[in-house]
Amino acid sequence: QVQLVQSGSELKKPGASVKVSCKTSGYIFTTFALNWVRQAPGQGLEWMGWINTNTGNPTYAQGFTGRFVFSLDTSVSTAYLQISSLKAEDTAVYYCARAVGAIPRWYFDVWGPGTLVSVSS
Amino acid sequence: SYELTQPPSVSVSPGQTATITCSGDNLGNKYASWYQQKPGQSPVVVIYEDIRRPSGIPERFSGSNSGNTATLAISGTQAMDEADYYCQAWDSNTWVFGGGTKLTVL
Repeated sequence: QVQLVQSGSELKKPGASVKVSCKTSGYIFTTFALNWVRQAPGQGLEWMGWINTNTGNPTYAQGFTGRFVFSLDTSVSTAYLQISSLKAEDTAVYYCARAVGAIPRWYFDVWGPGTLVSVSS
Repeated sequence: SYELTQPPSVSVSPGQTATITCSGDNLGNKYASWYQQKPGQSPVVVIYEDIRRPSGIPERFSGSNSGNTATLAISGTQAMDEADYYCQAWDSNTWVFGGGTKLTVL
């Protein structure tokens, strides 16, 4: 079955960097786009952007440019989210989610379990 | 930028119908999805393409979308339906989520 498995929780100091992984299985990796979604403690879902797993082309949502980088390693069917110059307000659970269907009908059918990134001095 | 507005909370008695709305400019001309999120868990899609229900989602979940409002209805609401619900739509090459609605089954 389709699975998205994310890396474990991270505790980082302000100014550091973190790289979150999202390893996929159960389908052809390059067939479906992968999205990243942030959820701050007690808050709602915030779309960060997506990466075309066929071309590697990333698209970043407003507010997620500069310090945020999406990347792929197609050899291991894995997507990555790297955040640099971490700030306390980056503390959140980060989800990867697969998008299926044709634009504009597409939607997120499978989500990873989430990775908690905590930023504290 | 496009915005989707949901009521922060909705309460319903067990066995009754819960209705959660999602408002956005001309939302009826877009496709709305709905996600259920229980505490400590990842979101799960319950409705996509306005009205479609993924396999495994109970028939008591239904959706509609017209004008400026998409609606998620849960008939015969059960205690297990208590969760946060988020609407989502695609606009101008951007995914947008509503702020979420906490459904309480009293």
